[in-house]
Amino acid sequence: DQQVKQNSPSLSVQEGRISILNCDYTNSMFDYFLWYKKYPAEGPTFLISISSIKDKNEDGRFTVFLNKSAKHLSLHIVPSQPGDSAVYFCAASARFTYSGAGSYQLTFGKGTKLSVIP
Amino acid sequence: ETGVTQSPTHLIKTRGQQVTLRCSSQSGHNTVSWYQQALGQGPQFIFQYYREEENGRGNFPPRFSGLQFPNYSSELNVNALELDDSALYLCASSPTVMNTEAFFGQGTRLTVV
Repeated sequence: DQQVKQNSPSLSVQEGRISILNCDYTNSMFDYFLWYKKYPAEGPTFLISISSIKDKNEDGRFTVFLNKSAKHLSLHIVPSQPGDSAVYFCAASARFTYSGAGSYQLTFGKGTKLSVIP
Repeated sequence: ETGVTQSPTHLIKTRGQQVTLRCSSQSGHNTVSWYQQALGQGPQFIFQYYREEENGRGNFPPRFSGLQFPNYSSELNVNALELDDSALYLCASSPTVMNTEAFFGQGTRLTVV
């Protein structure tokens, strides 16, 4: 059962235009959402995050929107640049209680491969 | 500030063997998590270590085990390797156990033949 879904495996966008990457989730216990970018042969790199108590967070060219009622979030990249070409993962975090301190566990989607065409 | 480093970067093992993967967490980070990323999938949570103790576990069998050392570096051990264990193994560290952001290493590509 996939709790975080990225339904578009790939997306192509012209340089300078807007890239919109989408993510849906099913678990209402998620309270924090993150986007990671991954280049081949590298680990995922943290990009931007949003708390479930907010509906928008902006950082330079990157904006994440959260619609809690629809259990949907999106990442907007404006303007898109060729260096943005990578796989983008949506991740959701829920606090869990284990034997000790309790912690946060990330649940990832399958990723969307973004290609920005010069 | 050094980032998260993993070793080795690539590894080939035979089915039934055992493997140990290593991770040095980012300076000042006391929490380490391990993820498995199969081809075409997102990373899946294996387990987390905090102050040398297991602090969370995903849906992985007991032959996946780990350790965290006093300097917060960590090991992932997999016994009785199966072909399906072939994947990219990612280590991520966080400043504290309650920090939601995780910083990843470059991963170890394990191939089981």
